[in-house]
Parts: sequence; structure tokens; C-alpha cells
Amino acid sequence: KAGVTQTPRYLIKTRGQQVTLSCSPISGHRSVSWYQQTPGQGLQFLFEYFSETQRNKGNFPGRFSGRQFSNSRSEMNVSTLELGDSALYLCASSLVLGGTEAFFGQGTRLTVV
Amino acid sequence: AQSVTQLGSHVSVSEGALVLLRCNYSSSVPPYLFWYVQYPNQGLQLLLKYTSAATLVKGINGFEAEFKKSETSFHLTKPSAHMSDAAEYFCARGGSEKLVFGKGMKLTVNP
Repeated sequence: KAGVTQTPRYLIKTRGQQVTLSCSPISGHRSVSWYQQTPGQGLQFLFEYFSETQRNKGNFPGRFSGRQFSNSRSEMNVSTLELGDSALYLCASSLVLGGTEAFFGQGTRLTVV
Repeated sequence: AQSVTQLGSHVSVSEGALVLLRCNYSSSVPPYLFWYVQYPNQGLQLLLKYTSAATLVKGINGFEAEFKKSETSFHLTKPSAHMSDAAEYFCARGGSEKLVFGKGMKLTVNP
């Protein structure tokens, strides 16, 4: 059974640009969550999608958005990038909604210069 | 607010020594508790989970954790550390709208 796939693995962007990250969950999983990981703040919840609808949202500005497609694949978008957005972005998939067992992808390392 | 506390950020043990990583949760008893491991430049891998079926939970790679309600704890242990155990370990609670993670504990294993 294939795991969670995140693309790309690494990204370098310039301040002010926007970026889109992709996540393909485990087959059959309908929930996709996104997390930002930084040395200073640790793992912070961004949002969760289930059946193409955002169900939960963390405390991030509106520059951070996402969507989920009918095949459960999800994308996350960050607009007007800031230096502080440099982080490892992790996607996790779960069978059901909410804080249940989650399986993580390898992450996308975003560097904003 | 529901939270998970992992005191300290780094622990160092010798190869073959006991590994003990502490985790305490706040507020009400969570339906789920998890331990995840993260190797450098990788995602998080689930080590084990507590779902109230048993207080002693066995996971992968020889790790286990014991849920103690009286101490609001879910400490992770391994009897004998191996070099390959060097990684960062995260405790998390679930059952609410999202997983809530501790700050993580970096484990170093010395030869």
C-alpha cells in the first residue's frame, strides 16, 4: 500500500511569490491535514480537509489556503511569501475526520529567500 | 486548552542503555495518545498509539509506552538503545478536532 506522497520535496522561493504544495493521501483515506514545522514553533496545525471541505483550521493568516479534490488529493497554497514561511510542511492522511491516527508524508522543505 | 508536555528538548543515552522519554497531557483524558518518530529530513512515523484498550502499548522497533491516568502521563521506553534510534520523538494527543503535538525530544545515542 503506497504511503502519503508529497511533492515537491524541496522548494526555494523569493519573498512575495506564491507557492503550491501537493499531497496524495493513502488510498481510501478521506482526510488530509497540513502542518507547518519550524525549529522555533514546532508542529503547528494549518488545516484539515475531508470530502473536499475544510473542516478545521489552525491559527494562520489567510495567505495560507488549501483545497481537496474528489480523489482526496490536496493542495496547499501560500501567497505573498515571507521569510518566516520557511519551514517543513507536512501532510498527513487519516481514514476519518479529526484527531485520529494520522500517517505523514516526507514533507516539503520550503525556503523563502 | 488541551496540551501535551515534553519536558526538555534533548536526551542523550549510551548504546544499550534504557531509553525513557516523558510525555504528560493536560485536561481531560484524551481518547487517543500517540508517539511519533522523525528522522532527519523525513516525515513523522507512527511508533505506537493508545486507544484505551490497554494501558501498556507496544509499538515498533522495541518501543512501548504506559498510560497512567493518575499521573496524566504516557512515557515512552525502550530497554536497550540502538544507534538507529537516534531521532526526534513527538508525543501527541488526539480525539479533538486535530492532533496536538508536544515540542519534541531529540534522542542522541552514544557508542
